[in-house]
Amino acid sequence: AQSVTQLGSHVSVSEGALVLLRCNYSSSVPPYLFWYVQYPNQGLQLLLKYTTGATLVKGINGFEAEFKKSETSFHLTKPSAHMSDAAEYFCAVSGDTGFQKLVFGTGTRLLVSP
Amino acid sequence: NAGVTQTPKFQVLKTGQSMTLQCAQDMNHNSMYWYRQDPGMGLRLIYYSASEGTTDKGEVPNGYNVSRLNKREFSLRLESAAPSQTSVYFCASRVTGGGTGELFFGEGSRLTVL
Repeated sequence: AQSVTQLGSHVSVSEGALVLLRCNYSSSVPPYLFWYVQYPNQGLQLLLKYTTGATLVKGINGFEAEFKKSETSFHLTKPSAHMSDAAEYFCAVSGDTGFQKLVFGTGTRLLVSP
Repeated sequence: NAGVTQTPKFQVLKTGQSMTLQCAQDMNHNSMYWYRQDPGMGLRLIYYSASEGTTDKGEVPNGYNVSRLNKREFSLRLESAAPSQTSVYFCASRVTGGGTGELFFGEGSRLTVL
């Protein structure tokens, strides 16, 4: 069965610093991978996704992620953090029954200090 | 451009009371989902409906029932609420058949069971 591990329930960075949120997955089939962002008291919004093709995926708000099959990773990065990036981020992998179920990680809360 | 709409947004129940969470989507999606979100546990799938007329259990179905009323609407019912069901509930939908698995989420329903 598919699974996702997000390392670090909280990550703190200073404004302008590099953001790195880690995600490792387990999948018995070629995965589709997603990053979602959740701002306080809101639902989840898609940040970016990897399906097939180019392994470096660019998303909204300057975020990007790289699919590394050999490392079973899909880490999320942003070169320079903004205060508005403070939110909770979830990595997800498509289920082994195709797309019927997405399996989510436990989330990483990003804190950005001035 | 409503997307996925959930009602109510907030609800307080006493143990043993029943209630129904409503969800409607206007994107003509075939599949609909109910997740619960708890601190440190990410999103866990309660039930899903791959298409109108079908429903299936997810990871944590105990204590819940669902109804896929039509293509647009998917409701979640708690027959006898328990404090362990205090959570934030999210409805989501997605395209099936040729899609990439991306889920579209509602803004959530915050339920407290006393």
